[in-house]
Amino acid sequence: DVKVTQSSRYLVKRTGEKVFLECVQDMDHENMFWYRQDPGLGLRLIYFSYDVKMKEKGDIPEGYSVSREKKERFSLILESASTNQTSMYLCASSSTYRGPEGNTEAFFGQGTRLTVV
Amino acid sequence: GQQVMQIPQYQHVQEGEDFTTYCNSSTTLSNIQWYKQRPGGHPVFLIQLVKSGEVKKQKRLTFQFGEAKKNSSLHITATQTTDVGTYFCAGEKSSNYQLIWGAGTKLIIKP
Repeated sequence: DVKVTQSSRYLVKRTGEKVFLECVQDMDHENMFWYRQDPGLGLRLIYFSYDVKMKEKGDIPEGYSVSREKKERFSLILESASTNQTSMYLCASSSTYRGPEGNTEAFFGQGTRLTVV
Repeated sequence: GQQVMQIPQYQHVQEGEDFTTYCNSSTTLSNIQWYKQRPGGHPVFLIQLVKSGEVKKQKRLTFQFGEAKKNSSLHITATQTTDVGTYFCAGEKSSNYQLIWGAGTKLIIKP
């Protein structure tokens, strides 16, 4: 069964702390994504990566950075956590190549609910 | 920037009533995908539509992709309690594999 695993389900951090959110996928996917999800706003893209060491900014990259040193792992870093970064963070991966059904769907991790106090 | 508008934000229905959510993109899409997120869960892929005017069915769910590949809809016939959740559309740009997400429609079954 395909899997995207996020390191923590719930996290509480203090304002100003450096926070690392880890995501690992076992599907050999080229593309990986970090989203944040807030009520009424849907999924907003923070960063994505289409290859090792490659990254591109999404819609809301401010206050975040990412790292992709290995194909299976994509890390989201909050350099100095702030209360407005309290949110649900979702990692996803997808393949560049179409699957047997012709789809290029994204597979999501369980999400990390981060609270910054 | 490129956007996908999804309406309504919420829909309250009695069990057995139908449900529809609509998505509209500002630009032509390569394809559109639909996902369901159960309460407390993560988005799970339902279907992908690629061709202009395409219609696909999954049991009580009917998905349509517009002729201009800018709009799409999901219709659920005779809703059941298992249908509860938020339904998202996500349009794929042709230039890369980035998805542009609608804000989601939350299906609520009235008690």
